[in-house]
Amino acid sequence: AQKVTQAQTEISVVEKEDVTLDCVYETRDTTYYLFWYKQPPSGELVFLIRRNSFDEQNEISGRYSWNFQKSTSSFNFTITASQVVDSAVYFCALSEARDTGRRALTFGSGTRLQVQP
Amino acid sequence: GAGVSQSPSNKVTEKGKDVELRCDPISGHTALYWYRQSLGQGLEFLIYFQGNSAPDKSGLPSDRFSAERTGGSVSTLTIQRTQQEDSAVYLCASSLNRPGGFDQPQHFGDGTRLSIL
Repeated sequence: AQKVTQAQTEISVVEKEDVTLDCVYETRDTTYYLFWYKQPPSGELVFLIRRNSFDEQNEISGRYSWNFQKSTSSFNFTITASQVVDSAVYFCALSEARDTGRRALTFGSGTRLQVQP
Repeated sequence: GAGVSQSPSNKVTEKGKDVELRCDPISGHTALYWYRQSLGQGLEFLIYFQGNSAPDKSGLPSDRFSAERTGGSVSTLTIQRTQQEDSAVYLCASSLNRPGGFDQPQHFGDGTRLSIL
């Protein structure tokens, strides 16, 4: 069975600080996909990034960066120079590319990030 | 609009009543998912539709829950004889996933907040 763990329930930082959100996953598949979603107070889940299990290159997009390490089954997310608008709940998710074709996501419990001005 | 549309946005009903929740996926998206987000359980997968294939119902919590997808587009999630534990936000997502293809990001609607009195 697959599982995603986000051990940090809530993080509070002051604007301009860097913050890293941790994500650890478990899966028996060799082919799988990892995602990060943002859920602002408005409630909609916003897709941020997708990685497949064959691509361990880290990725940077503006102030966001992701560190994927298969050796530790982790897919951590760093926000550099945080801003108040980054305040949201962030979810890490996993899907497995099984023969059944089911691509449902298994979500972590989420990390609530509060960025104080 | 271009996104996933869900209706109603809020639904309050009495215990024991039936409810229907609607989802309009992004045009052209072949895959459609229903999830439930509640305080105690986080984000849980309910059901997955892929094209004309039989749906994956493995996440439905009881036989009071059912869903259909007509014409490969609009989907309706029905909960019969609602219970208070059914109170949650029901989220619909769609994606371009095709069997055997790479996982595509799921795009979520704003959800329906269901409250059972």
